[in-house]
Amino acid sequence: DIVMTQSPLSLPVTPGEPASLSCRSSQSLLHTTGYNFLDWYLQKPGQSPQLLISLGSTRASGVPDRFSGSGSGTDFTLKISRVEAEDVGVYYCMQALETPWTFGQGTKVEIQ
Amino acid sequence: QLQLQESGPGLVKPSETLSLSCSVSGGSINSTTYYWAWIRQPPGKGLEWIGTIHSSVYFSGSTYYNPSLKSRATISADMYKNQFSLTLTSVTAADTAVYYCARRRADGVLFMGFDPWGPGTQVSVSS
Repeated sequence: DIVMTQSPLSLPVTPGEPASLSCRSSQSLLHTTGYNFLDWYLQKPGQSPQLLISLGSTRASGVPDRFSGSGSGTDFTLKISRVEAEDVGVYYCMQALETPWTFGQGTKVEIQ
Repeated sequence: QLQLQESGPGLVKPSETLSLSCSVSGGSINSTTYYWAWIRQPPGKGLEWIGTIHSSVYFSGSTYYNPSLKSRATISADMYKNQFSLTLTSVTAADTAVYYCARRRADGVLFMGFDPWGPGTQVSVSS
């Protein structure tokens, strides 16, 4: 199985400031199409996860442009340009290159 | 707007079979574009993909499962009811979790993320 490792596990943030979350995979997620099969999700407290980013960098419909995904191969980053209070929750990355599709352990973002 | 809703028993006894359904509204599960999935989250833990079905009549309900479940999981689809289901046999306390259903779009060979998700249903395994 492809192992996904996220860091940090906890990230205190200040509203208005940027934030950066890291996700690494145990093998390359770069598909022959040139796309990286990597998703990002946010699970807000008490809610089901919601899709933020597909294919490494494609924002889902309705996702604010302060969220951006980057990276290729085994190293990926989710950046929030200016954190808002509503961005708190646990962020998960997930690889969709091969089954079993696997998630990282999550990064908990909270307002400090 | 597509909506998914999980349903099933909140409590299952050890060694018995868990059965959950996901009702889909606002769209058809009979589609070559979409895959339908079950994902679970044990209390206080992260997410685990259980399996996926591609329920178009053209694909005869192709299914994919997480080997970690050791063949205990079966996903099926009922196109008339527009829902898909999960059956998990020989459950133990380790199967206690919130179970989510979700949709995934395939654009050719490109898989977009799981979107949307159902609200989830809590399942506890206990005698």
